[in-house]
Amino acid sequence: GENVEQHPSTLSVQEGDSAVIKCTYSDSASNYFPWYKQELGKRPQLIIDIRSNVGEKKDQRIAVTLNKTAKHFSLHITETQPEDSAVYFCAARASGSARQLTFGSGTQLTVLP
Amino acid sequence: NAGVTQTPKFQVLKTGQSMTLQCAQDMNHEYMSWYRQDPGMGLRLIHYSVGAGITDQGEVPNGYNVSRSTTEDFPLRLLSAAPSQTSVYFCATSREGQADTQYFGPGTRLTVL
Repeated sequence: GENVEQHPSTLSVQEGDSAVIKCTYSDSASNYFPWYKQELGKRPQLIIDIRSNVGEKKDQRIAVTLNKTAKHFSLHITETQPEDSAVYFCAARASGSARQLTFGSGTQLTVLP
Repeated sequence: NAGVTQTPKFQVLKTGQSMTLQCAQDMNHEYMSWYRQDPGMGLRLIHYSVGAGITDQGEVPNGYNVSRSTTEDFPLRLLSAAPSQTSVYFCATSREGQADTQYFGPGTRLTVL
């Protein structure tokens, strides 16, 4: 099955700096890559996703890049703010009969004021 | 619209007890799923359903049963609780399955003593 590895597990940045979280996946047939944000004690919420026919996608301060050859994708947050502090999860979904989302282990991002 | 609701919010069980975690949605989504969240392990899929009357196993189904008699409800049953089932459980729905936005419920924190 699919295996998703996420790094780093914790990340601290100064307010205004950029943050980058990276994920690698094992199944070359994976075709959908979402990112979820989970604030403390809250439910995960989708913040951005990308499909395998696109190399990059942006939404205001958030961007995701996908490198299918290397089987990795990254979340980029620019001009970080304290409200960006949360746990971020990447996920990958393989095509084919399994077609289940496999999540990474999460990154605790702390934005220091 | 309430979206996705889960009950109870918290539950403490003794080893060997059984219980049902409730999940309901008013979004008219066909696809529903159950995840468990453990520290450092991300979200792992337990069971899912692509529509009323249809269920299937996810990554970690042992010790859990599900049924889907209506579009709105997708209960998760623990048959004989074990300490290894101590976790936070999230129900999620989506319009088009795993390659689509997952809308998570607020979660149930379960402790098995």
